[in-house]
Amino acid sequence: QLVESGGGLVKPGGSLRLSCAASGFSFSDYYMSWVRQAPGKGLEWLSYISPTDTYTKYADSVKGRFTISRDNGRTSLWLQMNSLRVEDTALYYCARVSNDYGDYSLDSWGQGTLVTVSS
Amino acid sequence: QSALTQPASVSGSPGQSITISCTGTGSDIGGYNYVSWYQQHPGQAPKLMIYDVTNRPSGISNRFSGSKSGNTASLTISGLQAEDEADYYCSSFTSSSPLVFGGGTKLTVL
Repeated sequence: QLVESGGGLVKPGGSLRLSCAASGFSFSDYYMSWVRQAPGKGLEWLSYISPTDTYTKYADSVKGRFTISRDNGRTSLWLQMNSLRVEDTALYYCARVSNDYGDYSLDSWGQGTLVTVSS
Repeated sequence: QSALTQPASVSGSPGQSITISCTGTGSDIGGYNYVSWYQQHPGQAPKLMIYDVTNRPSGISNRFSGSKSGNTASLTISGLQAEDEADYYCSSFTSSSPLVFGGGTKLTVL
C-alpha cells in the first residue's frame, strides 16, 4: 500500500514536500517513482529513485526544481518541490516500479495528493 | 520528451472488440519492448493492465491484449464490458528519459 500526503495550496515560487508511506512489501527492494496528473489531463512521469538511493532521474519539466529521496528504514519516499509554478498544479502519485512485471512498468499506485499552485 | 500519441476517444458496444493505438518514435516504442498500458477509472489511481508490450499481470483478464508494430503499440479489449469504460494510458521506456506516457484515451461503452 502506498499513501501520499503533504499536498496543499501554495503560492507561485513556493515550496512543498510530498511524502509517500509504503507498507505491505519490501520497500528497499524497489525503485520508486512520482507521477502527476493535472486536472482533467493525462499522466506525466516526474522522477524515480533506485532502491539504495544511489541513482535518481528526473523529467525535464522538473529537473533542478524537484528532488526525490527515500528512507528505507522508514519505508518512506519524498518529493521536495521548490520554485513551484502554476503549471505544477496536479494530483501527485507515488508509484512502485515493478520487479515482477517488466522493467519499466508501475505496478502499485497510491491514491494521490493534490497540489495547487495559485496566488 | 513529447508524450506518446493516443486517440482522444474510442467507443464500442458490449461484446465488441476495440483497439487503442499509441504512436511514438524509434527512440521509444520502436526501439524497445517496454510498452505498458494502464486503466484509470474516474477518481481512482491508474492500474497496470499490460507490460512489456504483450504481457498481462496476474489477475488481469485475458480480454486485454497488447501488440506492437514499428513505432505503434496497440491495446485490444475483446468482449467489451460496461466495467471497461475508463481512461487508458500507454507508456514506454525512452532513450532520453526513462518513461513517457501517452495523452490518454477515453473508452466509452455504448
